[in-house]
Amino acid sequence: QITLKESGPTLVKPTQTLTLTCTFSGFSLSTSGVAVGWIRQPPGKALEWLALIFWDDDKRYNPSLKSRLTITKDTSKNQVVLTMTNMDPVDTGTYHCAHTTTWAFGYWGQGTLVTVSS
Amino acid sequence: QSALTQPASVSGSPGQSITISCTGSSSDVGVYNLVSWYQQHPGKAPKLMIYEDITRPSGVSNRFSGSKSGHTASLTISGLQAEDEADYYCCSYASTNTPFVFGTGTKVSVL
Repeated sequence: QITLKESGPTLVKPTQTLTLTCTFSGFSLSTSGVAVGWIRQPPGKALEWLALIFWDDDKRYNPSLKSRLTITKDTSKNQVVLTMTNMDPVDTGTYHCAHTTTWAFGYWGQGTLVTVSS
Repeated sequence: QSALTQPASVSGSPGQSITISCTGSSSDVGVYNLVSWYQQHPGKAPKLMIYEDITRPSGVSNRFSGSKSGHTASLTISGLQAEDEADYYCCSYASTNTPFVFGTGTKVSVL
């Protein structure tokens, strides 16, 4: 059974760096073809893909946010970490991590709400 | 890479069929057979309903079907039920550097 769960701060101040952790079970991120992505959703708005990390440590970023994002993995801990620098109130939203092997996200974490406010 | 275009809302009566469109371009929807569809109920995580344009994951009702013509993908829900009331998002592979582009989202209402 594949599960994912996001963790991190619920409140960050403008200009701060956000660090979110996705802890998963039921699969290994060292298995060929497996990837974990991050997707966010501002309140009442659409989903937006942020970043993706593959089993071989290859990484992809949303071009519009690439300069602010870093995604890493710790295979031994079954974790994926996303950092986003220079946070702004427009970055407020729910951040999800999700599993993919088919260029579609088949398993999602419940999401974590991050509010950016001074 | 711009978001894929979906109608803001679609509605139907119980038992009817509805279709949600997802319009992209020759850089994404029109090139790859990698459109996926997600259902999201309020306060919940999205759920994968269709992948690779037309494939239903195990456990998803066969009332949900995907199709594509040119740059436009579609999700059809047949035999509409109250539980189908939710937001729906399409998503397409767009390039090696931009593997995922989501749609603008469609709110489905069951009248």
